[in-house]
Amino acid sequence: EAQVTQNPRYLITVTGKKLTVTCSQNMNHEYMSWYRQDPGLGLRQIYYSMNVEVTDKGDVPEGYKVSRKEKRNFPLILESPSPNQTSLYFCASSRQLHYEQYFGPGTRLTVT
Amino acid sequence: AQKVTQAQTEISVVEKEDVTLDCVYETRDTTYYLFWYKQPPSGELVFLIRRNSFDEQNEISGRYSWNFQKSTSSFNFTITASQVVDSAVYFCALSETSSGTYKYIFGTGTRLKVLA
Repeated sequence: EAQVTQNPRYLITVTGKKLTVTCSQNMNHEYMSWYRQDPGLGLRQIYYSMNVEVTDKGDVPEGYKVSRKEKRNFPLILESPSPNQTSLYFCASSRQLHYEQYFGPGTRLTVT
Repeated sequence: AQKVTQAQTEISVVEKEDVTLDCVYETRDTTYYLFWYKQPPSGELVFLIRRNSFDEQNEISGRYSWNFQKSTSSFNFTITASQVVDSAVYFCALSETSSGTYKYIFGTGTRLKVLA
């Protein structure tokens, strides 16, 4: 089954404790992206990647890191999480830029 | 600057009514792409439609139809004979490459409630 998977689905952590949210797709897509969804703000792009070893900032990259060492994986790293990073996070992939995106199930992160 | 505006925060309709969700976008590019996504109460995001800026033909898919008008920078979505299963948050999105920077911008969403 073609899909985008994210882990964990739910995470409660404390300020400053590094964490990684994994994202994997099995569709051989070139493009992957991370978004955060907050009430009243819609989805905002954090980082995106157009191919292996090619990543770029989206609209809200502060406090986040990403890497794309393999085509299928695109982890999101929070080196020192803060409460304002409490949000619902979505990973997405698409075969190319400007095409429809396929989203993972979301990761609900709470930072206390 | 690029922007997507969904002015309707929430709409409630009774089943079988028609409903239109508005989307207005701003861009300086001549080449861009527009999308609609659905987020049902279960939370996943589901792709509905993609349109490029050179194709203003309206599209119909079952009870869903989309009206793309470049003159008013709008890409509206109509559900005919709404059903309870249409209850969801609907997002309009714009994709473009401006000055070498790729942008994928979502509106803030419209929550549609269809009452039985």
